[in-house]
Amino acid sequence: SQQGEEDPQALSIQEGENATMNCSYKTSINNLQWYRQNSGRGLVHLILIRSNEREKHSGRLRVTLDTSKKSSSLLITASRAADTASYFCATLAGNQFYFGTGTSLTVIP
Amino acid sequence: ETGVTQTPRHLVMGMTNKKSLKCEQHLGHNAMYWYKQSAKKPLELMFVYNFKEQTENNSVPSRFSPECPNSSHLFLHLHTLQPEDSALYLCASSQGTSQETQYFGPGTRLLVL
Repeated sequence: SQQGEEDPQALSIQEGENATMNCSYKTSINNLQWYRQNSGRGLVHLILIRSNEREKHSGRLRVTLDTSKKSSSLLITASRAADTASYFCATLAGNQFYFGTGTSLTVIP
Repeated sequence: ETGVTQTPRHLVMGMTNKKSLKCEQHLGHNAMYWYKQSAKKPLELMFVYNFKEQTENNSVPSRFSPECPNSSHLFLHLHTLQPEDSALYLCASSQGTSQETQYFGPGTRLLVL
């Protein structure tokens, strides 16, 4: 399977701490994206990193990509209770998106 | 609001019922997608439409029948479903079908009894 796999499956932190979640994938990709999903809702796009990029920032989000290790990480700095959600990585290989099972993040106020 | 709406938001149906899920996008996109999200499983791509033409059908059982009358609307017709079809069905759209960010609707939570 070409799907991404997020790690850890669940993460619980205190408000103000940083949250790091990882994604591993199996084949060459065009780009990798991170999405967020609040419970029972649709996914919302957070950030896209292309295969020739190594790091990207967007507000409190920092994404890294290591194509040699086929892995990516998403760092959320100074977390807030509103960041509580599931986070998914999606890899684009060819013309198809592959999503992982997600990391469930809980930020405790 | 992502510009993609789905109705109904919740649906309970028996195995002999026929129902339809509707998706509408107000973003001027050319590609639309149906995904199935079950607990503890990765998001499963079901169908892809590009400029109203179906380009992907990922071995989806025939009890799921998609319809795309125009680039803004996508339907998923349901017939004689099984309890294991209970899931969150998500619609998404994008400008094109490759290397593009996808915009998701809120989903339809389906329960098959």
